[in-house]
Amino acid sequence: DAKTTQPTSMDCAEGRAANLPCNHSTISGNEYVYWYRQIHSQGPQYIIHGLKNNETNEMASLIITEDRKSSTLILPHATLRDTAVYYCIVRVHNAGNMLTFGGGTRLMVKP
Amino acid sequence: GAVVSQHPSRVICKSGTSVKIECRSLDFQATTMFWYRQFPKQSLMLMATSNEGSKATYEQGVEKDKFLINHASLTLSTLTVTSAHPEDSSFYICSATGGSAPYEQYFGPGTRLTVT
Repeated sequence: DAKTTQPTSMDCAEGRAANLPCNHSTISGNEYVYWYRQIHSQGPQYIIHGLKNNETNEMASLIITEDRKSSTLILPHATLRDTAVYYCIVRVHNAGNMLTFGGGTRLMVKP
Repeated sequence: GAVVSQHPSRVICKSGTSVKIECRSLDFQATTMFWYRQFPKQSLMLMATSNEGSKATYEQGVEKDKFLINHASLTLSTLTVTSAHPEDSSFYICSATGGSAPYEQYFGPGTRLTVT
């Protein structure tokens, strides 16, 4: 899997949008961008993924640049429960393909 | 759907003993299961990949004789930490793929192992 670069930590005020950036400048044409998050002492939780189009679901929006070298995960109205480590991962879609976790971004949502 | 459970959630064992951790896919058949280890304030590190009915594939640096993985059915994989030492204390997380979304990985809640 291609390597990703994320800021180590970010703060966000409760109720505001949280924008988490990710650089993946060496991404290949067949690699998807995935976002997971891990709340303290829990297993990772899938958030969203995309290939080249922007995606939105009930949890978040994913904005991928036209050259696909970077993306941004947007939590539109962050709550205290969104405090977690957010992992950006790029991977191909092979059945059974493993996930390689980097350092992630520790998001702290503050009241 | 796509729920993965782990048992136990926490376990404390004495040095030199063995401990088994179970990972179950509750509502789908998991063709592949993955085991990860996570030390405090670090990211998840893949330990091994197991496919139902075949031997697990271990990542470099992971001792297969110490971390025994059995994937005997499409809904159950077990990780046995043999002759545990305090340095094996960690958070062990499994994930599974399969079902209607074969490219997605569904994670269990994790097992906190403490070796005294």
